[in-house]
Amino acid sequence: DQQVKQNSPSLSVQEGRISILNCDYTNSMFDYFLWYKKYPAEGPTFLISISSIKDKNEDGRFTVFLNKSAKHLSLHIVPSQPGDSAVYFCAASPSGGSNYKLTFGKGTLLTVNP
Amino acid sequence: GAGVSQSPSNKVTEKGKDVELRCDPISGHTALYWYRQSLGQGLEFLIYFQGNSAPDKSGLPSDRFSAERTGGSVSTLTIQRTQQEDSAVYLCASSLVPTGVGNTEAFFGQGTRLTVV
Repeated sequence: DQQVKQNSPSLSVQEGRISILNCDYTNSMFDYFLWYKKYPAEGPTFLISISSIKDKNEDGRFTVFLNKSAKHLSLHIVPSQPGDSAVYFCAASPSGGSNYKLTFGKGTLLTVNP
Repeated sequence: GAGVSQSPSNKVTEKGKDVELRCDPISGHTALYWYRQSLGQGLEFLIYFQGNSAPDKSGLPSDRFSAERTGGSVSTLTIQRTQQEDSAVYLCASSLVPTGVGNTEAFFGQGTRLTVV
């Protein structure tokens, strides 16, 4: 039973345009959400996070939006650059006793074309 | 180095052999995690250490898997009598405090790609 879902395995956008990566979750106990970026043969690197008390967090070209009622979050990259081409993982951790455990989606491969 | 370091980067082993994977977390990070990524899948939680204790081993797939952490630092993940389904990338991560406690991120190593033939 997948608690974090990234329904788009891949996404292709043109350089300079907006990239929107989506993530849905089912566990209402999740209250902290993270996005990681992963290049081939490297470990995931942290990109941006958001707490459930917020609905938006922005860091440079990256913005994460959280819609708690819809159990949905999205990552916006504006403007997209070829170096952003990577696999993006959405992750969530719950409140309470298991708050150390990150549950990951399967990832979305973003390709930014020059 | 300043990051999480894992060794070896790649390991090819014969079915039935034991393997040991090593993780050096970021200095001072009390929380350490092992995850596994199989082909086409997301990262799957295996085990969590707080200091040298492992309060959550619930993700270990079978009793062939074990892990320890010593001195609040280095951790080893051991897989006994490896099977082909154990082939995956094993990722170690660490964080200053548990991720949900401090709303803080976990930092990952580059992973060990294990291939069981």
